[in-house]
Amino acid sequence: DIVMTQSPDSLGVSRGERATINCKSSQSVFYSSNNKSYVAWYQQKRGQSPKLLVYWASTRQSGVPDRFSGSGSGADYTLTISSLQAEDVAVYYCQQYYSSPFTFGPGTRVDIK
Amino acid sequence: EVQLVESGGGLVKPGGSARLSCQASGFELTAFTMNWVRQVPGRGLEWLSSITASSSFIKYSDSVKGRFTISRDNAQNSLFLQMNSLRPEDTAVYYCARDFELTYGVFDYWGPGTLVTVSS
Repeated sequence: DIVMTQSPDSLGVSRGERATINCKSSQSVFYSSNNKSYVAWYQQKRGQSPKLLVYWASTRQSGVPDRFSGSGSGADYTLTISSLQAEDVAVYYCQQYYSSPFTFGPGTRVDIK
Repeated sequence: EVQLVESGGGLVKPGGSARLSCQASGFELTAFTMNWVRQVPGRGLEWLSSITASSSFIKYSDSVKGRFTISRDNAQNSLFLQMNSLRPEDTAVYYCARDFELTYGVFDYWGPGTLVTVSS
């Protein structure tokens, strides 16, 4: 199974500042035949179910604000919130869908400092 | 509007069984692979199982293989998870999730979840 790790476990960011979350997979989740990285990012607010933010490592889901961006390749990926808003307080999970079982990172909690 | 609503959770004794249902609305269930994902309260997410639109391709995680069975009834717009031989470590919120149409293994809609508690 592919193990996903995230760092940091939590971070506090001032409103309007940048938040950066890192995700590492135990093996590359980049498929060279189609040049795609099989990584998704989800946001889960307290008491809610997860919401898809990004897929293919960097493609924003429809309706997701453009302050959210994903990047990375190989085994290292990043979710960036360019200007943190109060409504972005949540736990963020990365996930690989390169191979089954699909696995998630342990989550990163983002709060307002 | 796409909606997924799970039901069937509750308190179950160790070794017991439960059957979860997920009622889908707002989209053609017949066109989508569906999944079950669980979350231990306060912990992370664990994918459990997926079933393709025609039920021809089914996968399970090792943690539930042989104990849980996924199925669907497209005519009733429903997804199911039969859970047998339940253990305390199966205590979690169980979500049904729709596969994103552009790829396999990305979940674009989730239900609110149903809590299963396995305890004597």
